Amino acid sequence: QKEVEQDPGPLSVPEGAIVSLNCTYSNSAFQYFMWYRQYSRKGPELLMYTYSSGNKEDGRFTAQVDKSSKYISLFIRDSQPSDSATYLCAMRETSYDKVIFGPGTSLSVIP
Amino acid sequence: DADVTQTPRNRITKTGKRIMLECSQTKGHDRMYWYRQDPGLGLRLIYYSFDVKDINKGEISDGYSVSRQAQAKFSLSLESAIPNQTALYFCATSDVKYSSGANTGELFFGEGSRLTVL
Repeated sequence: QKEVEQDPGPLSVPEGAIVSLNCTYSNSAFQYFMWYRQYSRKGPELLMYTYSSGNKEDGRFTAQVDKSSKYISLFIRDSQPSDSATYLCAMRETSYDKVIFGPGTSLSVIP
Repeated sequence: DADVTQTPRNRITKTGKRIMLECSQTKGHDRMYWYRQDPGLGLRLIYYSFDVKDINKGEISDGYSVSRQAQAKFSLSLESAIPNQTALYFCATSDVKYSSGANTGELFFGEGSRLTVL
């Protein structure tokens, strides 16, 4: 079993839709949970960051962490064509030494 | 100019050749990393360095070596390239201050080096 699993998609939605992206993980020591966004031919960029369980909202984006289920989600409201990218979940333990990435979900938002 | 610069951006080479990918950064960060990205496998850590005198293996270091020439420069070498090293390679930096509880350890990535080994 991989340490972090993520549905690779591709996921295609119409503009304005609500998008739900999810990851599951096996290491109960993970405390920090991140979502990176990667546009085509670019490096990933940090989109959202959450510590431990709970929700975090930033504009149209909401990150949720459920540590009891080892499950994290990213919701995108009112999706826009500019949201078309690959979304990578990432997580690490308290130590800063090692970040584990999921394989990424490819999202296309169709105008 | 990009804060994290990788060269070359694209390279095609043959099996058995030696290849070096270079990374330089202007962010002033101490920590530097090399990742490779493959479809369906995500980003996997090859090597990382917390300062000029500190080099650590990641999860897939076999077949690779690195050199930290200065705080701002970190190069990745494939001594004898093989086809399954065909991938997209990313350099990243981070700046961790343990005194700050708000420090996320965010990784800042370059734009990638696409390597094809024939």
